[in-house]
Amino acid sequence: KAGVTQTPRYLIKTRGQQVTLSCSPISGHRSVSWYQQTPGQGLQFLFEYFSETQRNKGNFPGRFSGRQFSNSRSEMNVSTLELGDSALYLCASSKSSGGATQYFGPGTRLLVL
Amino acid sequence: GENVEQHPSTLSVQEGDSAVIKCTYSDSASNYFPWYKQELGKGPQLIIDIRSNVGEKKDQRIAVTLNKTAKHFSLHITETQPEDSAVYFCAASPTSGTYKYIFGTGTRLKVLA
Repeated sequence: KAGVTQTPRYLIKTRGQQVTLSCSPISGHRSVSWYQQTPGQGLQFLFEYFSETQRNKGNFPGRFSGRQFSNSRSEMNVSTLELGDSALYLCASSKSSGGATQYFGPGTRLLVL
Repeated sequence: GENVEQHPSTLSVQEGDSAVIKCTYSDSASNYFPWYKQELGKGPQLIIDIRSNVGEKKDQRIAVTLNKTAKHFSLHITETQPEDSAVYFCAASPTSGTYKYIFGTGTRLKVLA
C-alpha cells in the first residue's frame, strides 16, 4: 500500500506570495491533518479534514487555510507569505477521526525569502 | 491549554545501552499516546503506540509504559543501535470530541558506536 505523498517536496517563495501544498492520503483513509514543523516551535497542529469537512483547527492566522476533496486528497494554502512561514509542512492521514493512528508523509519544505 | 512536556531534549548513549525518553501530558481526556521517530529529511514514522486501557506495550527492542494517574508515559529502547539515532516525538490525543494530537518537543537520540 502506498504511503502518504506530498507535493512539492521543496518550495522557495518570496514574502507576500501565496503557496498551495498538496497531500494524498493512504488509500482508504478519510482523515487528513496538517502540521507545521519548525526548530523553535516543534510540531504544531494546523487543521484536520474528514470527509471534506474541517473538523478541528489549531491556533494559526486566517492566512492558513485548507480543503479536502471527495477523493480525500487535501490541499493547504498560505496567503501573503511571511519569513516566519518557512517550515516543514507535514500531512498525516488516518482511517478516521477521533484517536485513530496518524501516518505522516515526507513533508514539503517551504523557504520564504 | 493542553501541552506535552518531553525530556530530555538530547540523549547520547553507547551502542548496546538502553535509552529512556519521558513525557508528561496535561489533558485528562488524552487516552491515546503514539511515539514517532523522525530521521533527517523524512516525516515522522510511527514506532509504537499505547491506549489508556493498557499499562505497557512491547515490540521487540521498544516498549512504552503509561501511568494515567500521574499523566506520564515513557519510551524505552533496549540494546540501542546506531540506526536508532534520530529525533523521537511523543504525542497525546483524546479519542472523542474535537481530538487532535499534541506533540512533545522532541528528543534527539545519538547512539555512539
